Amino acid sequence: SSELTQDPAVSVALGQTVRITCQGDSLRSYYASWYQQKPGQAPVLVIYGKNNRPSGIPDRFSGSSSGNTASLTITGAQAEDEADYYCNSRDSSGNPVFGGGTKLTVL
Amino acid sequence: QVQLVESGGGVVQPGRSLRLSCAASGFTFSSYGMHWVRQAPGKGLEWVAVIWYDGSNKYYADSVKGRFTISRDNSKNTLYLQMNSLRAEDTAVYYCARDSNGDYDLVAFDIWGQGTMVTVSS
Repeated sequence: SSELTQDPAVSVALGQTVRITCQGDSLRSYYASWYQQKPGQAPVLVIYGKNNRPSGIPDRFSGSSSGNTASLTITGAQAEDEADYYCNSRDSSGNPVFGGGTKLTVL
Repeated sequence: QVQLVESGGGVVQPGRSLRLSCAASGFTFSSYGMHWVRQAPGKGLEWVAVIWYDGSNKYYADSVKGRFTISRDNSKNTLYLQMNSLRAEDTAVYYCARDSNGDYDLVAFDIWGQGTMVTVSS
């Protein structure tokens, strides 16, 4: 089982705000990164580090962290944001590890 | 543009071997650590292995340690994954991904290939 825990599914009404969380002890020591994956496509990095967005990622995506929990917030969710979201950090050995993923549905 | 293109996937019998390749372009390949990440059908992402920018260090997930070998040829801008003693549970899409080269307190994969499917079946 993953050392990073995510809710399997979350839903949000179009235009509303949604928070996707990732829990794990390693998040007290390491930053989380977040990836968006749409069906049949490769993952795309959307947030990394303290709260950094790669170029081309809309500013409605933001990241935060507190204690053992990292969060990805989408402010004003759009239909195209419907996807699987994965968090990523390091495990107790220092190796990369992914959360189990959260399926986001935009209603 | 910055790009990673995997190849080498296919159907292979249990116990056999396969080598995946990942061709990089659009960036200085020799300056970046590189990873392999896999995704079994209908499942989540699983980190497989990492190799440092100069090949000096390699680390593996416990699930593949002793069976898989990551390597790179910086003169050819190519990353490899040699997979031996394959098992049914190795069936997955295999992605190569570039490390963002941040500080140790951050691991992020900023560029991904499109993936190559490996099916282990008799």
